[in-house]
Amino acid sequence: EPEVTQTPSHQVTQMGQEVILRCVPISNHLYFYWYRQILGQKVEFLVSFYNNEISEKSEIFDDQFSVERPDGSNFTLKIRSTKLEDSAMYFCASSVQGRTDQPQHFGDGTRLSIL
Amino acid sequence: DQQVKQNSPSLSVQEGRISILNCDYTNSMFDYFLWYKKYPAEGPTFLISISSIKDKNEDGRFTVFLNKSAKHLSLHIVPSQPGDSAVYFCAARTYTGNQFYFGTGTSLTVIP
Repeated sequence: EPEVTQTPSHQVTQMGQEVILRCVPISNHLYFYWYRQILGQKVEFLVSFYNNEISEKSEIFDDQFSVERPDGSNFTLKIRSTKLEDSAMYFCASSVQGRTDQPQHFGDGTRLSIL
Repeated sequence: DQQVKQNSPSLSVQEGRISILNCDYTNSMFDYFLWYKKYPAEGPTFLISISSIKDKNEDGRFTVFLNKSAKHLSLHIVPSQPGDSAVYFCAARTYTGNQFYFGTGTSLTVIP
């Protein structure tokens, strides 16, 4: 069964450094998402991306965050200047379409630890 | 932001019995609801969904019930199996957006 893959599985970064989290969505999916889950808290939406542009973003997704689809397969989340509170599990997801009764399929996540 | 709530952080059930996981929501604009299952060190795995035009959806051992007037969603697992032990999240989406709002999860333990 096709799946969303994320790399790396664990990223340790010094505070203030830039980090890029990578995702390969399911190949025929057109909508891509990033969510995060801070330890002990709920999964929170960050951003959705369609047709090479952001279609929706949350309040969490401020100017330090950016997303990109640099080629036909990868979907990346960049955090420009990391803070301690950015430590979380980051999940990438994709769906065939948006705003329809189609589930989003999640990767296994990248655990980001900011020191 | 507590639009989706799972008030039971954990649930233990004997193998073979029914597991009932509950979820409440506050946003009347939600029109699509899902249950995800999550094992440690893995991402959420889609389990079953229901649209707001229905009140029940069944897939094998899993049935989701939606009570729109009560803004309540439940997942029934019958019969429960040890492999069902995981954290279960309910999630909901409005008809105007792409993002899913997640509950805090219920950790289900099925005792052999």
